[in-house]
Amino acid sequence: DTAVSQTPKYLVTQMGNDKSIKCEQNLGHDTMYWYKQDSKKFLKIMFSYNNKELIINETVPNRFSPKSPDKAHLNLHINSLELGDSAVYFCASSHRQLDTQYFGPGTRLTVL
Amino acid sequence: GENVEQHPSTLSVQEGDSAVIKCTYSDSASNYFPWYKQELGKRPQLIIDIRSNVGEKKDQRIAVTLNKTAKHFSLHITETQPEDSAVYFCAASKAGTALIFGKGTTLSVSS
Repeated sequence: DTAVSQTPKYLVTQMGNDKSIKCEQNLGHDTMYWYKQDSKKFLKIMFSYNNKELIINETVPNRFSPKSPDKAHLNLHINSLELGDSAVYFCASSHRQLDTQYFGPGTRLTVL
Repeated sequence: GENVEQHPSTLSVQEGDSAVIKCTYSDSASNYFPWYKQELGKRPQLIIDIRSNVGEKKDQRIAVTLNKTAKHFSLHITETQPEDSAVYFCAASKAGTALIFGKGTTLSVSS
């Protein structure tokens, strides 16, 4: 069974479109995260949720809106996509903060 | 906020040699230091972590050392194998804050 899963794996879209990425974890973890990995492989936190509540919100444009319908799911909606949004987006989860984070397989977003 | 510097950015070793990757952090209150390995096209995976109440931790061929006074920590891989080739990330954090990652080290092990 996949511990942390994301859909879709690949997403190719035009500038200006709106898209969503979904994440699910079956580990029973309380904390979930979204990371962006750019073309230089730099991993940067975007958001963190604990028990469905937003606890970390880094300086991310408000075109990005996370949503956690329940503890096992964390989705990311992106409005008005820009070229610079092209990256791999990883979801992750951990039992608590400062515990091992388990990453999903990533979603490679390409904005044309 | 926390800043993590990682060196070197690339490291090439021969199979069987040791590899050392070093990181420094800026926030003296950080107390959790994990290391992640990311193979090409794959997700990052934790390989070892250390907390600030410990100076060294070992797991088979992998060890991490922490110097809280100097605010640096290092990853040591002994008897490297080709399957150790990957990008390695260090990170630092404390309660209530995000994991801040270093920029990564691409390790190449040639046989």
